[in-house]
Amino acid sequence: EIVLTQSPATLSLSPGERATLSCRASQSIGSYLAWYHQKPGQAPRLLIYDASNRATGIPARFSGSGSGTDFTLTISSLEPEDLAVYYCQQRNSWPVTFGGGTKVEIK
Amino acid sequence: EVQLLESGGALVQPGGSLRLSCAASGFTFNTLVMSWVRQAPGKGLEWVSSISDSGTTTYYLDSVKGRLTISRDNSKNTLYLQMNSLRAEDTAVYYCAKWKDRRGSIFDSWGQGTLVTVSS
Repeated sequence: EIVLTQSPATLSLSPGERATLSCRASQSIGSYLAWYHQKPGQAPRLLIYDASNRATGIPARFSGSGSGTDFTLTISSLEPEDLAVYYCQQRNSWPVTFGGGTKVEIK
Repeated sequence: EVQLLESGGALVQPGGSLRLSCAASGFTFNTLVMSWVRQAPGKGLEWVSSISDSGTTTYYLDSVKGRLTISRDNSKNTLYLQMNSLRAEDTAVYYCAKWKDRRGSIFDSWGQGTLVTVSS
C-alpha cells in the first residue's frame, strides 16, 4: 500500500498570502496524484488531478506540481473561502490511498 | 448537473447489516466506474470499494473484504454497498463518488454522504 504523508498538519495564513502544501508518497506514483479540499460540513471537491491539471470550475489561484514521490499544491493568494482541509490522493496502484490532510486556517 | 444522493445510513449494532444506496443522475451512469469512500468522525478519507461500469469487476479495501459488497443496477442508475458483520471501526460517513473518466480513480463528483454508526 502506498502511504501519502502530508505536511504541515495545519497552516495558518492571512488572506492574500501564498499557501504551499506538501504531499510525499512512500514510493513513486508518477503523476497519478489528485488534490481535494473539504470545507466544513461538506463533501470533498476535486481541485487538481494528475498532479497539475485543474478540475472544472477551479480558480486559477490553485496549482499543482510534482512527480514521482514529491508533490505540491499552491494557493497563490489565499481567500477566506479557502478555509478547508486539503487531501492528496494517489491512483497509481490499488488500494487507492489518501493523505492525512492539511488544515488551512485563515487568520 | 451531476447528482449523487446516498441513503440508508443508520445506527446498527456490531455484527449487524445495512445496505447503502446511491442514486445517480446527470451523467451516463453505465459508462463510468463508481466508488465508495468513507470518513470516520473527525478523521480523513478512506477509499472502500470500486466497481467497473458493467459491474463485473470489483475492488475492495483489505479490511472490508468478505464483509462489504459493492454492486450496481445500471437500469436504475443506482450504486449499492451491502454491509454485513459490521464493526465499530466501520462507523463513518460513506460517500459515493464517480470517476472523472476511464483514466482511473479521479473522483470528480461526490454525494453528500450518509452516516453509518455501529454501536451497541
